[in-house]
Amino acid sequence: GEEVAQTPKHLVRGEGQKAKLYCAPIKGHSYVFWYQQVLKNEFKFLISFQNENVFDETGMPKERFSAKCLPNSPCSLEIQATKLEDSAVYFCASSQRTRPRGGYTFGSGTRLTVV
Amino acid sequence: TQLLEQSPQFLSIQEGENLTVYCNSSSVFSSLQWYRQEPGEGPVLLVTVVTGGEVKKLKRLTFQFGDARKDSSLHITAAQPGDTGLYLCAGAGWVGGNTPLVFGKGTRLSVIA
Repeated sequence: GEEVAQTPKHLVRGEGQKAKLYCAPIKGHSYVFWYQQVLKNEFKFLISFQNENVFDETGMPKERFSAKCLPNSPCSLEIQATKLEDSAVYFCASSQRTRPRGGYTFGSGTRLTVV
Repeated sequence: TQLLEQSPQFLSIQEGENLTVYCNSSSVFSSLQWYRQEPGEGPVLLVTVVTGGEVKKLKRLTFQFGDARKDSSLHITAAQPGDTGLYLCAGAGWVGGNTPLVFGKGTRLSVIA
């Protein structure tokens, strides 16, 4: 499709529970990026993929966060044992290149609330 | 780590006023992008500037890339309520050619009718 589809739109988890977020990139886009937006402003880079391979994971908290992009499946971001500070909007973006002049195409985000 | 500082953080103006938003860094960027984000949505690209000193216009929006490629500005003429939103600058760095875009913290603009 021509849009990045993120599901679910909202997710509520109790502290300590697992959260799993999904992203279907635009068909033909090789790169997928996950960003975390906290306090409605700051975008923090988490991880990027080139097809199904991790491209850059310098922003990923190693302990509880994991992500995958498998062939013929939506990409996923999983948080084990969620903490209150994980509450944020998680955005997925895709592009044909790592730094395209046409910009990243973002999904509408998944709002995770940890209670 | 390359950082982008945006100012002001918040801006509330009356319809018809002009405004300028700034994006500054101590790092050099190969290109810089401006996005606008509306509530409940992801950021949408407005423009990419590539050449130092470059000026691009998008209707009432004027974007400039600094000569040294370390800063950029967004000027809006005769702001309208439809301009309300979060404006984000994002830079693509020289170092480590495949690093992801680095985002500023954004300027939240409110235009009051």
